[in-house]
Amino acid sequence: EAGVAQSPRYKIIEKRQSVAFWCNPISGHATLYWYQQILGQGPKLLIQFQNNGVVDDSQLPKDRFSAERLKGVDSTLKIQPAKLEDSAVYLCASSFPHLEMNTGELFFGEGSRLTVL
Amino acid sequence: GNSVTQMEGPVTLSEEAFLTINCTYTATGYPSLFWYVQYPGEGLQLLLKATKADDKGSNKGFEATYRKETTSFHLEKGSVQVSDSAVYFCAADSWGKLQFGAGTQVVVTP
Repeated sequence: EAGVAQSPRYKIIEKRQSVAFWCNPISGHATLYWYQQILGQGPKLLIQFQNNGVVDDSQLPKDRFSAERLKGVDSTLKIQPAKLEDSAVYLCASSFPHLEMNTGELFFGEGSRLTVL
Repeated sequence: GNSVTQMEGPVTLSEEAFLTINCTYTATGYPSLFWYVQYPGEGLQLLLKATKADDKGSNKGFEATYRKETTSFHLEKGSVQVSDSAVYFCAADSWGKLQFGAGTQVVVTP
């Protein structure tokens, strides 16, 4: 079974430029997540999709970050314009919907490492 | 919301030593608890989980017991190997919200 695919693996940009990351979840997984992992910290949820609808985007900096999952399968996360503090690894994960509360397991991609100069 | 606190690393051990990584949580209700592991150059993957009080999760020689009275989920392994070198993340899930700790790097030397 193919895992969660992400691209690009690495990206270096200058501040105020834009960048986009792509994620293809495991086939059949309805729930898709984007996490930001800053060096030395645990992953922080940016946005969660259920099919093509947003479940939680409370921690997404909406003035510069956007994400979409138009057909309920793959997803794109965009940052425009980038700031120095956006340097991080952007992780995509997917899971089946929670059939009951508190039982979910997430499957992660390898991440996209962003460096903003 | 949830919060997870785990011991800081790096933790450096010799092969065959005993490993403990402490993890405590605060949460509304009764969360499911997880340990995820990130090996060098790889994505996070689930190591083990426990969904209710007194449950013990185990995998690859690692164990963790869900202690509601102390709100803890400490990870243990009796004899570590060099291949266990990785970053370990404790996480708590309440109502579909997964909160991670900061991670603990473990380095096992031959």
